[in-house]
Amino acid sequence: EAQVTQNPRYLITVTGKKLTVTCSQNMNHEYMSWYRQDPGLGLRQIYYSMNVEVTDKGDVPEGYKVSRKEKRNFPLILESPSPNQTSLYFCASSFSLAGSGTGELFFGEGSRLTVL
Amino acid sequence: AQSVTQLDSQVPVFEEAPVELRCNYSSSVSVYLFWYVQYPNQGLQLLLKYLSGSTLVKGINGFEAEFNKSQTSFHLRKPSVHISDTAEYFCAVIPNTGGFKTIFGAGTRLFVKA
Repeated sequence: EAQVTQNPRYLITVTGKKLTVTCSQNMNHEYMSWYRQDPGLGLRQIYYSMNVEVTDKGDVPEGYKVSRKEKRNFPLILESPSPNQTSLYFCASSFSLAGSGTGELFFGEGSRLTVL
Repeated sequence: AQSVTQLDSQVPVFEEAPVELRCNYSSSVSVYLFWYVQYPNQGLQLLLKYLSGSTLVKGINGFEAEFNKSQTSFHLRKPSVHISDTAEYFCAVIPNTGGFKTIFGAGTRLFVKA
């Protein structure tokens, strides 16, 4: 089954304790992206990756890191989480428009993070 | 640059009534348009998309949307809603000239009442 898998789905942590949210897709998509969803603010892009070893900042990258060492994986790293990073996080992937894609995004189920 | 405006943040409607969720966009280049749906406690999934051709596109669960280039709109409609349609709906665009960034609207929460 084609899917984007995120883990963990729920996490409560404390300020300053490093954490990683994993994202994996099995559709051979070139493009992967992380979003955060907050009430009243919709979806805001954190980081994206056009392909392996190619990453770039989105609209709200501060406090986050990413890496793309393999095509299927795109982990989101919070080196020193703070309470303002409490949010619902989504990973998404797609084929690139330069290839066979139409820009249709496939989303993971979401990871709800609480930073105390 | 592109922007997407969803004109209603919340739409309450009774079961079996018709509904329209409004979406306007702004772009200096041609775009592909999408509607995504997010059911409670789930990720977003594609409802329908407009790439080219017929301006009326049909999606899953009985939804349809009409692309109006002159009004730069892509409104979503359903003639008769069900309780199970209660969800948040996002309109989105991406430049079809090789751009990579999807621009989302702020979302419309559809609440279907019995």
